[in-house]
Parts: sequence; C-alpha cells; structure tokens
Amino acid sequence: DAKTTQPTSMDCAEGRAANLPCNHSTISGNEYVYWYRQIHSQGPQYIIHGLKNNETNEMASLIITEDRKSSTLILPHATLRDTAVYYCIVTGGSSNTGKLIFGQGTTLQVKP
Amino acid sequence: ETGVTQSPTHLIKTRGQQVTLRCSSQSGHNTVSWYQQALGQGPQFIFQYYREEENGRGNFPPRFSGLQFPNYSSELNVNALELDDSALYLCASSLGGLNTEAFFGQGTRLTVV
Repeated sequence: DAKTTQPTSMDCAEGRAANLPCNHSTISGNEYVYWYRQIHSQGPQYIIHGLKNNETNEMASLIITEDRKSSTLILPHATLRDTAVYYCIVTGGSSNTGKLIFGQGTTLQVKP
Repeated sequence: ETGVTQSPTHLIKTRGQQVTLRCSSQSGHNTVSWYQQALGQGPQFIFQYYREEENGRGNFPPRFSGLQFPNYSSELNVNALELDDSALYLCASSLGGLNTEAFFGQGTRLTVV
C-alpha cells in the first residue's frame, strides 16, 4: 500500500501557483519523498524529490515540514499543460530497492 | 523525451497466449523496473532488475517474468494471458539506489481479448 495520502482532485487557475499537499505521517528517517506526474496516456514524469530539506528545480519546489510528516509540491505558475495526475511517493529504507509505490494521486486541473 | 523506449506501443493478444514486451533503458542506467497500470489506477510495481539480476518483486504471479541484458535493456514476459492483464505496461530506468530519479518510457498498451 502507498504510504502517502493526497487529495483526489484540485483546481488551479492558469498563471497562479498550484500547491499540492501530501501526508506521509509514517515516513522513516531514511525515506525520500518523490513527486511524479502523469499526463493522460503518457508515462510518469519525474518532478522533484527530497529527504528533509526544501528543494527547488526548474519545474517545481518541494517543501517538507520539519517533522517530515507532510510535504507540498509547488508549481509556481501553472499552465494548461500542467494538467495531470500528480503522485507523491515515499521510498527508501533498508529493505527497499528504490521501487515506487504509487497511490491514486491528485488530479490537478488547470483552468484558463 | 526520457531516452527510455518501449516496444511495441500497442498490442492485442488472445487469452492464454504469451507476450514479450521490450524496454531500452536510458544511456548509463543499470536498473530497470516494470510497472502495470490498469485503467484509472496508479502504476503497480511488478519487478526490478539491477545488473541482470532480479532485485525486488511486487505482488505478481510467476507467469510474469523478466530479463535484463548486458546492455541493461530488458524484457517483460507474461505467460497464459488473462483478460485482467489488459493494461499499460511501463518501464522505468534509473541509476539504482534510493536517491535517484527514475525515467519512464511511454508504455506498451496491451489488450487481451
């Protein structure tokens, strides 16, 4: 089972920031938080990942709370092409090979 | 484009038949993982190969098997196809380990009739 909880769906206005929350209250110390997205009928696309510090790249920012029990993916200026299913995944630990356990994700609809 | 290519893109098979799906990993990546995605669901982990050895398996029966070749490309084989095997099959390549991103191919859409 997925170790994360995400809202089923969210809307965002084009040009505004999209803030996608994720709860991972059972995360352990050596587990990473990864975000992927999947645009309809395509393979998932890597967005960003982090362990405990906030991270930023050309696509998004990842904010991880100090207790690491939740995180937020921020798309700073959402466009229509950001409409997709966003998956928050916790992976790692001593017995993990880096496999990804996907939940249902959050369907983000960016509206004009 | 991720550099991960899968073939074929679409396939129709009859129940009971066998199928082989192929994946070419991104240059330099030694780890390939396979996922099954049923319609409306998130991808489900099938298994992972690291340097030609199986390195973890999800909750799939033995009729799902795989191979990884010295060039790190990979095959997924499914025997005795069932109607429920109809899905999008995704291949992901990575450098292995826990702090690396995986890059997915576009998938093979398998329909079992």
